[in-house]
Amino acid sequence: SQQGEEDPQALSIQEGENATMNCSYKTSINNLQWYRQNSGRGLVHLILIRSNEREKHSGRLRVTLDTSKKSSSLLITASRAADTASYFCAIRTSYDKVIFGPGTSLSVIP
Amino acid sequence: EAGVVQSPRYKIIEKKQPVAFWCNPISGHNTLYWYLQNLGQGPELLIRYENEEAVDDSQLPKDRFSAERLKGVDSTLKIQPAELGDSAVYLCASSLERGPGPLYEQYFGPGTRLTVT
Repeated sequence: SQQGEEDPQALSIQEGENATMNCSYKTSINNLQWYRQNSGRGLVHLILIRSNEREKHSGRLRVTLDTSKKSSSLLITASRAADTASYFCAIRTSYDKVIFGPGTSLSVIP
Repeated sequence: EAGVVQSPRYKIIEKKQPVAFWCNPISGHNTLYWYLQNLGQGPELLIRYENEEAVDDSQLPKDRFSAERLKGVDSTLKIQPAELGDSAVYLCASSLERGPGPLYEQYFGPGTRLTVT
């Protein structure tokens, strides 16, 4: 399978703590993206990291990419209740297939 | 600028009935995606259009699902006949893609929640 896979499946933290979720994949990629989905709503693009980049920041988000391990991590610092959502990684494989992972469900407790 | 528009937002039908979903992408976006999302899972690609051409429909169950994107703008996804297992959220997304290879940022609509009884 070339499907992206996130872990953990679910994560519960206190407001103010950091949240880290991981994504693994099994094929070569050009870039990897992270999306957020609030309950009952569509997905929103968060950040894109190219295969020649190792780390990228956007506000409270930090994404890392290790192409040798075929993995990426998303760190949300100083979490807020509004960060409660599901987070998905997405890739386009070398066979031009678009694949989303199963997601990590994050709960931030006020 | 308007986002991706989908209709209807909710649909309840009995099994064996037909159903259709409509999507209007962001103006100027050449690529349109239809996804199926089951509860607690990630989106699964059904079909991807570049302009009016379906470039990846390998995951579309062609015995009952069909899609079209006339004039390379809006798109319709149809299921006929619907089965109980088709209950899911159907998401449409669009992007402006400038060439093969990279995954470009996708803009998603709110989805259509289908319930088949």
